[in-house]
Amino acid sequence: QTVVTQEPSLTVSPGGTVTLTCASNAGAVTSGNYPNWFQQKPGQPPRAVIYSTSNKHSWTPARFSGSLLGGKAALTLSGVQPEDEAEYYCLLFYDGAVVFGGGTKLTV
Amino acid sequence: QVQLVQSGPEMKKPGTSVKVSCKTSGYTFTTYSITWVRQAPGQGLEWMGRIHTYSGNTNYEQKFQGRVTLTTDTSTQTAYMELRSLKSDDTAVYYCAREGGKGDLGSHWGQGTLVTVSS
Repeated sequence: QTVVTQEPSLTVSPGGTVTLTCASNAGAVTSGNYPNWFQQKPGQPPRAVIYSTSNKHSWTPARFSGSLLGGKAALTLSGVQPEDEAEYYCLLFYDGAVVFGGGTKLTV
Repeated sequence: QVQLVQSGPEMKKPGTSVKVSCKTSGYTFTTYSITWVRQAPGQGLEWMGRIHTYSGNTNYEQKFQGRVTLTTDTSTQTAYMELRSLKSDDTAVYYCAREGGKGDLGSHWGQGTLVTVSS
């Protein structure tokens, strides 16, 4: 069974930079896993921020960026704003199936 | 604009079934797949499966195989998720999400449907 692991929690100061990562026990994460990132605030549905490793949606703030880093998918927030405080989930695609990470609670 | 509107909250007894609907608008329904995700109270997101709206082909998370069925009604642009043999740990918010282009596995989401399973 594929398990996707994220940092349980991270803290960043306003204006700072933080990187969230997404690892898989099935091996290195690649572009073929089409990493997606979602932001979720309490009581709301998830909102997509990054798809296919590094692509932004039209509504994604410029301070969000996605990449592959050391065998993991990564989401970097540069110039963090208070409104970025949320839970962040990564998602990886595996041959027809999809697995979510456990989520990272980002505190600003 | 793209919208996914889900059916209302449900209260179910253990052993029964629930069918959640997801009515879409603002795009051509058969162009994109629909994914279903659930979130138990205070927990993370859990992928349940997806349906290719053009072909009707489905992929299910192994955990739900045999207990979940995803369907669509193209005439009403609506997707459905039926979960059978409900247990108390099926209590969760169930979301539908529309996939986008290649690698976009959930760009637009429904508001969620709370399903409570209790005797």
